[in-house]
Amino acid sequence: GAVVSQHPSRVICKSGTSVKIECRSLDFQATTMFWYRQFPKKSLMLMATSNEGSKATYEQGVEKDKFLINHASLTLSTLTVTSAHPEDSSFYICSASPSGRASYNEQFFGPGTRLTVL
Amino acid sequence: GIQVEQSPPDLILQEGANSTLRCNFSDSVNNLQWFHQNPWGQLINLFYIPSGTKQNGRLSATTVATERYSLLYISSSQTTDSGVYFCAVGLVGGGKLIFGQGTELSVKP
Repeated sequence: GAVVSQHPSRVICKSGTSVKIECRSLDFQATTMFWYRQFPKKSLMLMATSNEGSKATYEQGVEKDKFLINHASLTLSTLTVTSAHPEDSSFYICSASPSGRASYNEQFFGPGTRLTVL
Repeated sequence: GIQVEQSPPDLILQEGANSTLRCNFSDSVNNLQWFHQNPWGQLINLFYIPSGTKQNGRLSATTVATERYSLLYISSSQTTDSGVYFCAVGLVGGGKLIFGQGTELSVKP
C-alpha cells in the first residue's frame, strides 16, 4: 500500500511553454501533498505544501506565479511550471501522507518527473 | 531553521561489509524517515522512526530523540544497496520534511 504515481516521468519542452505534472495517490487519500525539487548530486528541496481544497503554501524563495499548484481532490495534486526556462530544468518529486494512519505524517514519494527545458 | 546533517557524505564498502550511517538534527522532531534513492531517482521508504529501534531484514535503525540523532545500520551489504541514503525530519507542529544532504553508498563486488 501507499503508492504514489507521477506523470509524465520525463518531459522535454521549449523555452516559454508551460508544463503540467500530475501526482496521484493510488491506494489512499491524502489531504496534504508536497512538491520537491532535486538538482543533480543534491538533496531534495521542498517547494510547496499542497492542501486539498485550499491554496498551496510555498517555501521562501519559490515563485508561486511560476509554479502553480492545484490540489483538486484527495488523490490528485498538479504542479504547472509556467513559461519554463532552461534554469527550471530539474527533477521534480511529489509526496503524500496517508490520512488516518497511526504514522499520520509519514510521507510516500512518487517516482519523479525529469523536466528538460530547451 | 532546523539543521539536518548526515555522515559520512560518501562511503565505499566491499560486498559483505557492515556500515552505520548517522543523522544529526538540531531541534525536536515528530517525524524521522530514512530513504534509499535508487539510480532512477525513486525514493524508497526504509523506516519511519521518530523514536526507538526498528529492524527490517539486513537493515535496522535507531533514533534517540532526546539526543537528536538517528542511526541506520546496514549489515552484510550487497551491490544492490548502492545509492544515496537520505534522512529527513519533520518538525513538531508541522507536516513538511527537511532532508539531510545524503550519504552516497557504493558497494563493490
